[in-house]
This record gives sequence, C-alpha cells and structure tokens, in this order.
Amino acid sequence: AQSVAQPEDQVNVAEGNPLTVKCTYSVSGNPYLFWYVQYPNRGLQFLLKYITGDNLVKGSYGFEAEFNKSQTSFHLKKPSALVSDSALYFCAVSAVQTGANNLFFGTGTRLTVIP
Amino acid sequence: GAGVSQSPSNKVTEKGKDVELRCDPISGHTALYWYRQSLGQGLEFLIYFQGNSAPDKSGLPSDRFSAERTGGSVSTLTIQRTQQEDSAVYLCASSLRREGAGEQFFGPGTRLTVL
Repeated sequence: AQSVAQPEDQVNVAEGNPLTVKCTYSVSGNPYLFWYVQYPNRGLQFLLKYITGDNLVKGSYGFEAEFNKSQTSFHLKKPSALVSDSALYFCAVSAVQTGANNLFFGTGTRLTVIP
Repeated sequence: GAGVSQSPSNKVTEKGKDVELRCDPISGHTALYWYRQSLGQGLEFLIYFQGNSAPDKSGLPSDRFSAERTGGSVSTLTIQRTQQEDSAVYLCASSLRREGAGEQFFGPGTRLTVL
C-alpha cells in the first residue's frame, strides 16, 4: 500500500535562510512524487514532480526537491525563504506499477517564514 | 484559462440532511478526482473518473457517499444523511493525463459543516 509521511507538522525558518520540508514515502515499485502548496483560502497548487530521470527536480517559485531512492525520501528545499512562502505544504505519491491514478497525500507541513 | 471551480464554497447543513457538491473541471481534462481534507488530516482520496470508464470508488468511506459525472465534464458529489464526521473541505481536481504522472489541478474546495 502507498503512504506518505511528513514528520514535521510545523517548520519555522527566518526569511533569507534555506528551508527544508521533509517527506518520506512507501510504495510498491517506482513512485511518482509530487509537492503541492496550499495558501490560505486557496486550492492546492502544484509545485513540482519527480517521474523519472534526474533526481533533483526544480519547480515553481524557486523550490526544488531531491528524490533519494535508498532513503525513500523526497524533501522539498529552497535556498532562501521568503515570507510569502508561508503556507501548508503537501507531499504526495502515486504508484506506477499499480496504475493507481489517485494521489496519496501526507498530512501536510505548515511552513512559517519569520521576517 | 479558467481553472477548476467548485460550488458552493461553503455549506452548512443539519445532521441527517442530504447535500450535493458540484465540480466543474478544466475544459478538456478527462480525469476528475474528489478528495476530502479534514482538520489535521491529509487529503483523503474519495473517487476518480476517467472518461467513460467505470469510476474508481475505492475511497468512498460509506454507501452514503456517491458521485456522478455527466457528459464527461461536471461532477456532483452527494452525501446522504450527513453526519457530523462528514464535516470537512471537499476538494475536486482534474488532470489531462490518465496516468498517475499527470499533474492534478485543484479547485478551491467546498467547506461542509454538519451541525
């Protein structure tokens, strides 16, 4: 069965500092991995995805994530945080082999960037 | 272009009443998903439609939940005899690709409160 773990409910970081939001996954076979962001009173917005190829993927708003197969992780990173990055971040996985079309989401990590 | 839209944005109902939630996907997107987001929880998959194929209902929590998609476009999620535990934000998403690698575009959600 597929599952996603986001071990931190809350991450606080000072503006200008690098940020990391952690995600680990469990899936049978090869995963498709996604990050979504949810701003207050807004729907989820796609940030980036890993399908295959280069383990480091770059996405919207300067975010990137690194796929690490041995650690089954897909941590979200940004070199320099902005106050406007404050939001709820969700990691998600879908499984290639099972052909599952739906995403399995983590419980979310609330990122607060402190001015 | 227009994104995924959902109506109503908020719905307050009494326990035992039926409710209908509507989703208008992005034009041309063949895949449509319903998710539920409860406080402190991640997104929970409910149901998936792909073209004219039989829907994947594996995520529906009980037989009080049903959904249909008319003409391969608009979808309605119906909850019968609502219970307080049904209170959540119901999110609809659509995607262009059938496979799990496709980016899903989310609507703003319907916040359902069952009194």
